[in-house]
Amino acid sequence: NAGVTQTPKFQVLKTGQSMTLQCAQDMNHEYMSWYRQDPGMGLRLIHYSVGAGITDQGEVPNGYNVSRSTTEDFPLRLLSAAPSQTSVYFCASSPRTANQPQHFGDGTRLSIL
Amino acid sequence: DAKTTQPNSMESNEEEPVHLPCNHSTISGTDYIHWYRQLPSQGPEYVIHGLTSNVNNRMASLAIAEDRKSSTLILHRATLRDAAVYYCISTNSGNTPLVFGKGTRLSVIA
Repeated sequence: NAGVTQTPKFQVLKTGQSMTLQCAQDMNHEYMSWYRQDPGMGLRLIHYSVGAGITDQGEVPNGYNVSRSTTEDFPLRLLSAAPSQTSVYFCASSPRTANQPQHFGDGTRLSIL
Repeated sequence: DAKTTQPNSMESNEEEPVHLPCNHSTISGTDYIHWYRQLPSQGPEYVIHGLTSNVNNRMASLAIAEDRKSSTLILHRATLRDAAVYYCISTNSGNTPLVFGKGTRLSVIA
């Protein structure tokens, strides 16, 4: 049972480059979300989705785009990478039923030079 | 969602019980209390959640005060593997995103 799979695990980008962080889950969960975690801090919500075709912004959405064309996948796009986006990115999923435990991936460690 | 307050850090000896406190004085009647933990270099991991009654599972127990303004996560026998940051999170009855604070960093001493 793979759970939530994030790729890549590590990535180094140059300022201005774009890239997509991948997140896939095999649990048929409707709810998916993206967080970023800066050193010594808690997680901050970037974007989330309550089902295919539906996305919404979280606390820190600027500089990021998302789409949800399938239940399984929720990619996060950095449009023009900036050093301030250096962080660890976590994807999570859960059933849509209220107050179900969320399952997190192992994270993508992104450095922008 | 109610704001939660936790101590920045706590320390425990191995094989002793650990009580991790959380204050949520503005909690409403339909807000749940969730606990997650984050081991070093890993994503957060669900621990336990509850509404009013005390809850037990294989990982921990959750004791909720009668007025629901505070709760305590109880690890019955701390192991070195329990060293992590523990997050107490309050959510409303809908399926809203989790809002993480800085949590409590638990150190376990052998």
